[in-house]
Amino acid sequence: EAQVTQNPRYLITVTGKKLTVTCSQNMNHEYMSWYRQDPGLGLRQIYYSMNVEVTDKGDVPEGYKVSRKEKRNFPLILESPSPNQTSLYFCASSLSLAGTGELFFGEGSRLTVL
Amino acid sequence: QKEVEQNSGPLSVPEGAIASLNCTYSDRGSQSFFWYRQYSGKSPELIMSIYSNGDKEDGRFTAQLNKASQYVSLLIRDSQPSDSATYLCAVNGNSGYALNFGKGTSLLVTP
Repeated sequence: EAQVTQNPRYLITVTGKKLTVTCSQNMNHEYMSWYRQDPGLGLRQIYYSMNVEVTDKGDVPEGYKVSRKEKRNFPLILESPSPNQTSLYFCASSLSLAGTGELFFGEGSRLTVL
Repeated sequence: QKEVEQNSGPLSVPEGAIASLNCTYSDRGSQSFFWYRQYSGKSPELIMSIYSNGDKEDGRFTAQLNKASQYVSLLIRDSQPSDSATYLCAVNGNSGYALNFGKGTSLLVTP
């Protein structure tokens, strides 16, 4: 089954404790992206990747890191989480290199930072 | 900052009526336009895409694009309670590397 898989789905952590949210897609998509969704603010892009070893900042990259060492995986790293990073996070992928095609979303990861 | 604007709603329509959802965007160089549906607690899913001026129909859904007015709309005919969700307008700008989403319009279809 074609899918984007995120883990963990739910996480409660404390300020400053490094964490990684994994994202994997099995559709051989070139393009992958991370979004966060907050009430009243909608979906905002954190980082995106057009291909292996190629990443770029989205609208809200502060406090996050990403890497794209393999085509299928695009982990999101929070080196020192803070309460303002409490949010619902979505990973998404697309076949189109330019991201103009359909975005397939993972099920989301709800993160709470205390 | 590329802006995509939507009324937050909620938009309430009776079952069987036409629901009309609207979206405006600021980047005049935008090339591709999408409507995503998001049920509460779920991830967004694509329902319509449109790339050229005019109407595009797919079942009960019609997307309308007017690039001169920088306006995109989604019509849902014969609305059903199962259409109750948040509808996100997404626009791909000149760079082609990012989809910018509106904050979404909440639609409630009442039986």
